[in-house]
Amino acid sequence: EAGVVQSPRYKIIEKKQPVAFWCNPISGHNTLYWYLQNLGQGPELLIRYENEEAVDDSQLPKDRFSAERLKGVDSTLKIQPAELGDSAVYLCASSTGGELFFGEGSRLTVL
Amino acid sequence: GQNIDQPTEMTATEGAIVQINCTYQTSGFNGLFWYQQHAGEAPTFLSYNVLDGLEEKGRFSSFLSRSKGYSYLLLKELQMKDSASYLCAVRRGSYIPTFGRGTSLIVHP
Repeated sequence: EAGVVQSPRYKIIEKKQPVAFWCNPISGHNTLYWYLQNLGQGPELLIRYENEEAVDDSQLPKDRFSAERLKGVDSTLKIQPAELGDSAVYLCASSTGGELFFGEGSRLTVL
Repeated sequence: GQNIDQPTEMTATEGAIVQINCTYQTSGFNGLFWYQQHAGEAPTFLSYNVLDGLEEKGRFSSFLSRSKGYSYLLLKELQMKDSASYLCAVRRGSYIPTFGRGTSLIVHP
């Protein structure tokens, strides 16, 4: 069974440019999470989806970040415009209510 | 809100035993996870405790005391490959785990 798939693995952009990350969760997992992880820190929740509904997005900086999960499967996280402080690893995870299964993450570097 | 505290870094010798502690303060506690994360890789699930007591799984064991807001991960017969970050995550309510900052474990020969 395929795990959580994320792309791109690495992205380098200049500040003020847009960037998008894609996540394909494990088949049948209704719950999808986007986390942000800075170096030496634990993952911090950005948004959680139950099927296509965003049920917890209080930590998502909505002025520049947006996310969607239109058909309740794949999800996209977008940043526009990116700032230097957005450099981090963006982790996607999915679950059926128990343990979380993480993708390998998308490492963003903003120059 | 939640407050999760774990040591930043620990070192241990190959073949030894190490205990990584995690303390937390939260309302609506509904379980505690331990994850392992090697540098540059995704976190992988190690254990889940929702009731008090010790859960053993091979070389790894996890303990929970809900009344004390305390958990530990015990790693036995340490191997070099156990060098990684160990993340404690507390679930409050339904599905939302909140992670601590992680403990970087360095295993040396």
